[in-house]
Amino acid sequence: GAVVSQHPSWVICKSGTSVKIECRSLDFQATTMFWYRQFPKQSLMLMATSNEGSKATYEQGVEKDKFLINHASLTLSTLTVTSAHPEDSSFYICSAYGLSGNTDTQYFGPGTRLTVL
Amino acid sequence: GDSVTQMEGPVTLSEEAFLTINCTYTATGYPSLFWYVQYPGEGLQLLLKATKADDKGSNKGFEATYRKETTSFHLEKGSVQVSDSAVYFCALTGSSNTGKLIFGQGTTLQVKP
Repeated sequence: GAVVSQHPSWVICKSGTSVKIECRSLDFQATTMFWYRQFPKQSLMLMATSNEGSKATYEQGVEKDKFLINHASLTLSTLTVTSAHPEDSSFYICSAYGLSGNTDTQYFGPGTRLTVL
Repeated sequence: GDSVTQMEGPVTLSEEAFLTINCTYTATGYPSLFWYVQYPGEGLQLLLKATKADDKGSNKGFEATYRKETTSFHLEKGSVQVSDSAVYFCALTGSSNTGKLIFGQGTTLQVKP
Protein backbone atom coordinates (compact mmCIF):
# COMPACT_ATOMS: atom_id res chain seq x y z
CA GLY A 1 0.00 0.00 0.00
CA ALA A 2 0.90 3.64 -0.13
CA VAL A 3 3.43 5.00 2.30
CA VAL A 4 4.00 8.56 3.30
CA SER A 5 7.48 9.40 4.49
CA GLN A 6 8.79 12.46 6.24
CA HIS A 7 12.34 13.67 6.38
CA PRO A 8 13.93 14.28 8.73
CA SER A 9 12.26 12.28 11.47
CA TRP A 10 13.73 14.62 14.04
CA VAL A 11 15.75 17.81 13.95
CA ILE A 12 17.35 20.08 16.49
CA CYS A 13 18.20 23.60 15.44
CA LYS A 14 19.28 26.89 16.90
CA SER A 15 16.87 29.75 17.37
CA GLY A 16 16.72 31.97 14.30
CA THR A 17 17.55 29.30 11.76
CA SER A 18 15.18 27.79 9.19
CA VAL A 19 14.26 24.15 8.93
CA LYS A 20 12.76 22.32 5.96
CA ILE A 21 10.63 19.22 6.40
CA GLU A 22 9.82 17.01 3.42
CA CYS A 23 6.71 14.93 2.98
CA ARG A 24 6.72 12.33 0.23
CA SER A 25 4.02 9.92 -0.85
CA LEU A 26 5.18 6.69 -2.40
CA ASP A 27 3.06 4.86 -4.98
CA PHE A 28 0.28 7.35 -4.39
CA GLN A 29 -0.48 10.60 -6.15
CA ALA A 30 -1.68 13.08 -3.58
CA THR A 31 -3.81 15.84 -5.01
CA THR A 32 -3.79 17.37 -1.56
CA MET A 33 -1.37 17.27 1.33
CA PHE A 34 -2.19 18.47 4.80
CA TRP A 35 0.20 19.71 7.44
CA TYR A 36 -0.63 19.25 11.11
CA ARG A 37 1.04 20.23 14.32
CA GLN A 38 0.76 18.12 17.46
CA PHE A 39 1.66 19.33 20.92
CA PRO A 40 2.52 16.84 23.65
CA LYS A 41 -0.52 14.86 24.75
CA GLN A 42 -2.78 16.96 22.57
CA SER A 43 -4.65 16.57 19.35
CA LEU A 44 -3.53 17.35 15.85
CA MET A 45 -4.06 20.92 14.79
CA LEU A 46 -4.42 21.49 11.06
CA MET A 47 -1.99 24.15 9.91
CA ALA A 48 -2.53 24.28 6.18
CA THR A 49 -3.89 22.56 3.11
CA SER A 50 -1.55 22.20 0.18
CA ASN A 51 -2.73 21.48 -3.35
CA GLU A 52 -0.26 20.56 -6.04
CA GLY A 53 0.75 23.52 -8.12
CA SER A 54 -1.11 26.14 -6.14
CA LYS A 55 -0.63 28.21 -3.02
CA ALA A 56 -1.33 26.63 0.31
CA THR A 57 -4.40 27.56 2.32
CA TYR A 58 -3.58 28.33 5.92
CA GLU A 59 -5.83 27.88 8.92
CA GLN A 60 -6.71 30.85 11.04
CA GLY A 61 -3.91 31.85 13.35
CA VAL A 62 -1.16 30.15 11.35
CA GLU A 63 1.46 32.56 10.02
CA LYS A 64 1.97 31.85 6.35
CA ASP A 65 5.25 33.78 6.25
CA LYS A 66 6.64 31.67 9.07
CA PHE A 67 5.45 28.29 7.84
CA LEU A 68 6.21 28.18 4.14
CA ILE A 69 4.60 25.34 2.26
CA ASN A 70 5.48 24.22 -1.22
CA HIS A 71 3.68 21.43 -3.05
CA ALA A 72 5.92 20.93 -6.05
CA SER A 73 4.49 17.67 -7.33
CA LEU A 74 1.85 15.06 -6.63
CA THR A 75 4.30 13.21 -4.43
CA LEU A 76 6.20 15.94 -2.59
CA SER A 77 5.30 18.75 -0.25
CA THR A 78 7.67 20.71 1.95
CA LEU A 79 7.15 22.73 5.10
CA THR A 80 9.81 25.29 5.97
CA VAL A 81 9.79 26.78 9.45
CA THR A 82 11.52 30.11 9.01
CA SER A 83 13.41 31.88 11.78
CA ALA A 84 12.49 29.16 14.21
CA HIS A 85 12.02 29.92 17.88
CA PRO A 86 11.63 27.62 20.88
CA GLU A 87 7.84 27.97 20.77
CA ASP A 88 7.92 26.35 17.32
CA SER A 89 9.18 23.15 18.90
CA SER A 90 6.56 20.55 18.15
CA PHE A 91 5.69 17.39 16.28
CA TYR A 92 4.80 18.11 12.65
CA ILE A 93 2.77 15.58 10.71
CA CYS A 94 1.81 15.54 7.07
CA SER A 95 -0.85 13.54 5.30
CA ALA A 96 -1.43 12.75 1.66
CA TYR A 97 -4.94 12.70 0.30
CA GLY A 98 -6.22 11.54 -3.04
CA LEU A 99 -7.97 8.81 -4.94
CA SER A 100 -6.89 5.22 -4.56
CA GLY A 101 -8.97 3.40 -7.11
CA ASN A 102 -12.39 4.96 -6.66
CA THR A 103 -11.96 5.64 -2.96
CA ASP A 104 -10.89 8.84 -1.27
CA THR A 105 -7.90 7.88 0.80
CA GLN A 106 -5.64 9.63 3.26
CA TYR A 107 -2.29 8.41 4.55
CA PHE A 108 -0.31 9.97 7.37
CA GLY A 109 3.41 10.40 7.63
CA PRO A 110 5.29 9.29 10.76
CA GLY A 111 5.91 12.87 11.84
CA THR A 112 8.94 15.09 12.37
CA ARG A 113 9.94 16.22 15.82
CA LEU A 114 11.40 19.72 15.77
CA THR A 115 13.31 21.03 18.76
CA VAL A 116 14.46 24.64 18.67
CA LEU A 117 17.11 25.56 21.19
CA GLY B 1 -17.96 25.06 13.19
CA ASP B 2 -17.49 21.32 13.08
CA SER B 3 -15.95 19.73 16.14
CA VAL B 4 -15.22 16.40 17.80
CA THR B 5 -15.22 15.67 21.52
CA GLN B 6 -13.67 12.58 23.05
CA MET B 7 -13.66 11.29 26.58
CA GLU B 8 -10.61 12.33 28.49
CA GLY B 9 -7.94 9.82 29.28
CA PRO B 10 -5.93 8.09 30.17
CA VAL B 11 -8.05 4.98 30.17
CA THR B 12 -6.36 2.16 32.04
CA LEU B 13 -7.66 -1.38 31.64
CA SER B 14 -6.54 -4.88 32.38
CA GLU B 15 -5.97 -7.27 29.54
CA GLU B 16 -9.18 -8.85 28.21
CA ALA B 17 -11.35 -6.06 29.61
CA PHE B 18 -14.09 -4.39 27.56
CA LEU B 19 -13.21 -1.04 26.04
CA THR B 20 -15.41 1.93 25.23
CA ILE B 21 -14.05 5.30 24.19
CA ASN B 22 -16.79 7.86 23.73
CA CYS B 23 -16.82 10.27 20.80
CA THR B 24 -19.45 12.82 19.93
CA TYR B 25 -19.44 15.32 17.14
CA THR B 26 -20.97 18.52 15.90
CA ALA B 27 -21.20 19.00 12.17
CA THR B 28 -23.29 20.47 9.43
CA GLY B 29 -24.32 18.18 6.67
CA TYR B 30 -23.31 14.54 6.62
CA PRO B 31 -19.73 14.00 7.75
CA SER B 32 -17.72 10.83 7.46
CA LEU B 33 -16.41 9.58 10.81
CA PHE B 34 -13.08 7.97 11.58
CA TRP B 35 -11.02 6.43 14.33
CA TYR B 36 -7.27 6.73 14.04
CA VAL B 37 -4.69 5.08 16.28
CA GLN B 38 -1.21 6.32 17.11
CA TYR B 39 1.12 3.75 18.61
CA PRO B 40 4.10 5.02 20.60
CA GLY B 41 6.69 6.54 18.30
CA GLU B 42 4.62 6.00 15.17
CA GLY B 43 2.37 8.00 12.87
CA LEU B 44 -1.40 7.88 12.74
CA GLN B 45 -3.05 4.86 11.21
CA LEU B 46 -6.65 4.59 10.12
CA LEU B 47 -8.38 2.09 12.38
CA LEU B 48 -11.91 2.21 10.99
CA LYS B 49 -14.41 4.52 9.39
CA ALA B 50 -18.10 5.00 8.62
CA THR B 51 -19.46 7.21 5.90
CA LYS B 52 -23.19 7.35 6.63
CA ALA B 53 -25.68 6.96 9.43
CA ASP B 54 -26.02 3.48 10.94
CA ASP B 55 -22.85 2.28 9.22
CA LYS B 56 -20.61 0.18 11.43
CA GLY B 57 -16.88 0.35 10.93
CA SER B 58 -14.79 -2.53 12.20
CA ASN B 59 -11.16 -3.60 12.20
CA LYS B 60 -8.86 -5.68 14.44
CA GLY B 61 -11.73 -6.39 16.83
CA PHE B 62 -12.63 -2.71 17.20
CA GLU B 63 -16.06 -1.46 16.21
CA ALA B 64 -17.87 1.86 16.02
CA THR B 65 -21.37 2.68 14.78
CA TYR B 66 -22.31 6.00 13.21
CA ARG B 67 -25.26 7.22 15.28
CA LYS B 68 -26.79 10.29 13.73
CA GLU B 69 -29.54 10.60 16.31
CA THR B 70 -27.03 10.92 19.14
CA THR B 71 -24.22 12.39 17.00
CA SER B 72 -21.88 9.75 18.34
CA PHE B 73 -19.25 7.31 17.09
CA HIS B 74 -18.12 5.41 20.18
CA LEU B 75 -15.22 3.00 19.82
CA GLU B 76 -15.58 -0.46 21.38
CA LYS B 77 -13.57 -3.61 21.71
CA GLY B 78 -14.67 -6.70 23.55
CA SER B 79 -11.29 -7.83 24.85
CA VAL B 80 -8.29 -5.53 24.80
CA GLN B 81 -4.68 -6.63 24.63
CA VAL B 82 -1.50 -5.00 25.87
CA SER B 83 -0.63 -4.32 22.24
CA ASP B 84 -3.71 -2.07 21.97
CA SER B 85 -2.02 0.49 24.21
CA ALA B 86 -1.94 3.65 22.11
CA VAL B 87 -3.59 7.01 21.60
CA TYR B 88 -6.93 6.89 19.81
CA PHE B 89 -8.30 9.82 17.85
CA CYS B 90 -11.85 10.30 16.67
CA ALA B 91 -12.15 12.48 13.59
CA LEU B 92 -14.56 13.69 10.96
CA THR B 93 -14.49 15.13 7.49
CA GLY B 94 -17.08 17.52 6.25
CA SER B 95 -19.62 16.73 3.60
CA SER B 96 -17.61 18.79 1.11
CA ASN B 97 -15.22 15.84 0.94
CA THR B 98 -11.99 17.78 0.75
CA GLY B 99 -10.15 15.31 2.95
CA LYS B 100 -9.71 17.90 5.70
CA LEU B 101 -9.94 16.11 9.04
CA ILE B 102 -11.06 17.56 12.32
CA PHE B 103 -9.71 15.59 15.25
CA GLY B 104 -10.82 15.08 18.77
CA GLN B 105 -8.28 15.60 21.51
CA GLY B 106 -7.23 11.97 21.62
CA THR B 107 -7.63 9.35 24.34
CA THR B 108 -4.69 7.43 25.70
CA LEU B 109 -5.35 3.77 26.37
CA GLN B 110 -3.08 1.82 28.68
CA VAL B 111 -3.65 -1.92 28.90
CA LYS B 112 -1.91 -3.74 31.73
CA PRO B 113 -1.17 -7.46 31.69
